[in-house]
Amino acid sequence: GAVVSQHPSWVICKSGTSVKIECRSLDFQATTMFWYRQFPKQSLMLMATSNEGSKATYEQGVEKDKFLINHASLTLSTLTVTSAHPEDSSFYICSARRRVGPGVRGVEQYFGPGTRLTVT
Amino acid sequence: GQQVMQIPQYQHVQEGEDFTTYCNSSTTLSNIQWYKQRPGGHPVFLIQLVKSGEVKKQKRLTFQFGEAKKNSSLHITATQTTDVGTYFCAGHNQGGKLIFGQGTELSVKP
Repeated sequence: GAVVSQHPSWVICKSGTSVKIECRSLDFQATTMFWYRQFPKQSLMLMATSNEGSKATYEQGVEKDKFLINHASLTLSTLTVTSAHPEDSSFYICSARRRVGPGVRGVEQYFGPGTRLTVT
Repeated sequence: GQQVMQIPQYQHVQEGEDFTTYCNSSTTLSNIQWYKQRPGGHPVFLIQLVKSGEVKKQKRLTFQFGEAKKNSSLHITATQTTDVGTYFCAGHNQGGKLIFGQGTELSVKP
């Protein structure tokens, strides 16, 4: 199957600093990438949808000025957590969509390994 | 908005026992996907169901998609310790976004 990588896999930062997380589709072009956040013992919550070359669309309750998303190419999307605070500590997972055919069967979505962010 | 509910939240079984998790959507789904997440890991895609009433099997795992395409189930026969993890169902909403259920955490006692 297709491969999606994330970097870094984990990061510890001080409160008030910014952290950038990269998501790459290694062997396919992803016109759409998704960013999820997962708190311990909870489900994945969709934060935003990122389309190559256009602005990301954010889910309700997600601050776009705090979570900056850039999808500059068909294989790279970045999430920057600005002025991070301890409550931003979470597991951030990206997902890349690949179209392999028509209709609903023709869409595949692959998840990255996640980035564990700890803000002290 | 669309909600995907999953039960139970936790399930503790003895090795060899069966396990089932259920997924219900507030709206009709175009498809349903199932993922497994091991402790400390990321979700790994297991399967996608598209047709009404569809049933698919992967070794000891049986996946069903309801006739109304609003519910689904995952059944594991004779659980093993390697089955430990959290199982998530996920469905696409009208906007094509993949929405996850709350997950069912399975623990297996050897």
